[in-house]
Amino acid sequence: DAGVIQSPRHEVTEMGQEVTLRCKPISGHDYLFWYRQTMMRGLELLIYFNNNVPIDDSGMPEDRFSAKMPNASFSTLKIQPSEPRDSAVYFCASSPGISPPQFFGPGTRLTVL
Amino acid sequence: AQTVTQSQPEMSVQEAETVTLSCTYDTSESDYYLFWYKQPPSRQMILVIRQEAYKQQNATENRFSVNFQKAAKSFSLKISDSQLGDAAMYFCASNSNSGYALNFGKGTSLLVTP
Repeated sequence: DAGVIQSPRHEVTEMGQEVTLRCKPISGHDYLFWYRQTMMRGLELLIYFNNNVPIDDSGMPEDRFSAKMPNASFSTLKIQPSEPRDSAVYFCASSPGISPPQFFGPGTRLTVL
Repeated sequence: AQTVTQSQPEMSVQEAETVTLSCTYDTSESDYYLFWYKQPPSRQMILVIRQEAYKQQNATENRFSVNFQKAAKSFSLKISDSQLGDAAMYFCASNSNSGYALNFGKGTSLLVTP
């Protein structure tokens, strides 16, 4: 069984550039979550989807961040324009429901120079 | 809102010994869930164990077990017969049926010495 797949694993970009992170959830999972991990703030939720519909985006830092889920097997997190303070590890996680646990992808380490 | 507190930034244990990682939480929910995740240097977040708050019995997964004290809002993780591969960052987390996002503690870094 394939787990949650994220790409790229590492991304280095320059300030002002557009960055797109990708996620493929586990097949059959109806919930998809995007988290960000930094030393200062730890792990925090950015947004989550249920059946491809965004439910809670209150964690999205600002308008530079956007997320989409065009179908059940694919989601993107886009940062435009990127800034050095966006440097972090971005995790995607999926779950078949609310009470079951969330399963995490390997993360994307983003560095914005 | 739920908050999770891990008061031990670092812990150390000798191989084959037992170690307990502490976690306390605060919630106004009556129906919630608690988790321990492990993050090794590869940074992959791996589920170690989970506990439903309505269950009184403490969860156990092989060498990992929890001590769930609902009244005290405490959820500690015990690792028995520690192995070198247990060295990692351990995060305590919670969510509920009204707040699906996981709320994480700051983590405890576990060092396992030979």
